[in-house]
Amino acid sequence: QSALTQPASVSGSPGQSITIPCSATTSALVAFNYVSWFQHHPGTAPKLLIFDVYNRPSDISSRFSGSQSGKTASLTISGLQASDEADYFCASYTTTSSWVFGGGTKLTVL
Amino acid sequence: VQLRESGPGLVKPSETLSLTCDVSGGSITSYHWNWIRQPPGKGLEWIASISYSGNTNYNPSLKSRVSIFSDTSKNQFSLRLASVTSADTAVYFCAREGDAVYLDFWGQGTPVTVSS
Repeated sequence: QSALTQPASVSGSPGQSITIPCSATTSALVAFNYVSWFQHHPGTAPKLLIFDVYNRPSDISSRFSGSQSGKTASLTISGLQASDEADYFCASYTTTSSWVFGGGTKLTVL
Repeated sequence: VQLRESGPGLVKPSETLSLTCDVSGGSITSYHWNWIRQPPGKGLEWIASISYSGNTNYNPSLKSRVSIFSDTSKNQFSLRLASVTSADTAVYFCAREGDAVYLDFWGQGTPVTVSS
């Protein structure tokens, strides 16, 4: 069981917005200021989309945004495109200087 | 920055798995460097990290079997996992911990199967 919980799958139509939640199951460990999100096409290197809950690397589209409410972080993808179809996972740094991850969410663009 | 994992692909039960991550476009004498794995159909699991100064940190569930070390002359870092079982079958990734607290560069992963 992953330390961070994500839905196994989400779907949306082109142009729509979707949100993927990420909840901590072991909140005593997770440093909630340091949640990040990744896009992963199997067989390739995961790509950093969001770091420190809200921040985007300079090369990432503004269609990707991060938010947090309590012990749940979320990734929102707006204006869905076919190329967004991929696996998405959250990660968090912990108070023991390690990393924990979500189980991953498969996004299907209908 | 590019990271590339290499490994044996297939390891027999009870043997030691050795993996190497070659880093190009940046020096391992900066930042922290991590090994992470993903078993088939499961989520990612952090294994270990090594800092630019050689300090190491291990997942407590694997600590008795794992070691991470670096070779600055080759600009690479490596992982050894002893006494492997089928539960160690996974895709193994190496990743850099960037300027702040995030994993900004990853390799594409190398699959490892533990089987006799």
